[in-house]
Amino acid sequence: DTGVSQNPRHKITKRGQNVTFRCDPISEHNRLYWYRQTLGQGPEFLTYFQNEAQLEKSRLLSDRFSAERPKGSFSTLEIQRTEQGDSAMYLCASSLGGVAGANVLTFGAGSRLTVL
Amino acid sequence: ILNVEQSPQSLHVQEGDSTNFTCSFPSSNFYALHWYRWETAKSPEALFVMTLNGDEKKKGRISATLNTKEGYSYLYIKGSQPEDSATYLCAHHGSSNTGKLIFGQGTTLQVKP
Repeated sequence: DTGVSQNPRHKITKRGQNVTFRCDPISEHNRLYWYRQTLGQGPEFLTYFQNEAQLEKSRLLSDRFSAERPKGSFSTLEIQRTEQGDSAMYLCASSLGGVAGANVLTFGAGSRLTVL
Repeated sequence: ILNVEQSPQSLHVQEGDSTNFTCSFPSSNFYALHWYRWETAKSPEALFVMTLNGDEKKKGRISATLNTKEGYSYLYIKGSQPEDSATYLCAHHGSSNTGKLIFGQGTTLQVKP
């Protein structure tokens, strides 16, 4: 297993366009997280899945954001009608949930979005 | 404390100095406290997961303590080295009923040779 993989690593788009990011977690991990990080801030929680179920979603996640994990493996995060404020690093992480000590997050390298 | 707060926001030390940072979290709901190190151009990596009040964990020159009753954790680095330069993040896991982890804003450490 090569760890958590995210694609694309960088995305530059024009305001109003839709973008989609993909995350491939560690195969035996049942939890998958999406975070957003902007300069000078820590990772901001967006949503997480346990297997294919989306268990929690931040109120900060507007209707323009949607995440899926259809088969409990990879996940996609789509942003519709992008705005300049969406420019950020989008981090994916996975973990083996269920036991506190085991819920260690393994992060991907992130997908950096720039909205012009 | 309603959110996860870290201090200081940034720190510059000389090689060989020892240093420490603070993470404050809501003491009313607690399940676990995580520390991660995030080096530039890399992914955040886990350092410690702590669950019990009074826990103390150590990894080489880095150690952490936990006080769940008052809602804080300290991270110590003994004899800082340039390779310790990174952003150190703590994350609060508030309940066993959720997998949600809330991160602080991080402490960025710069160690000068």
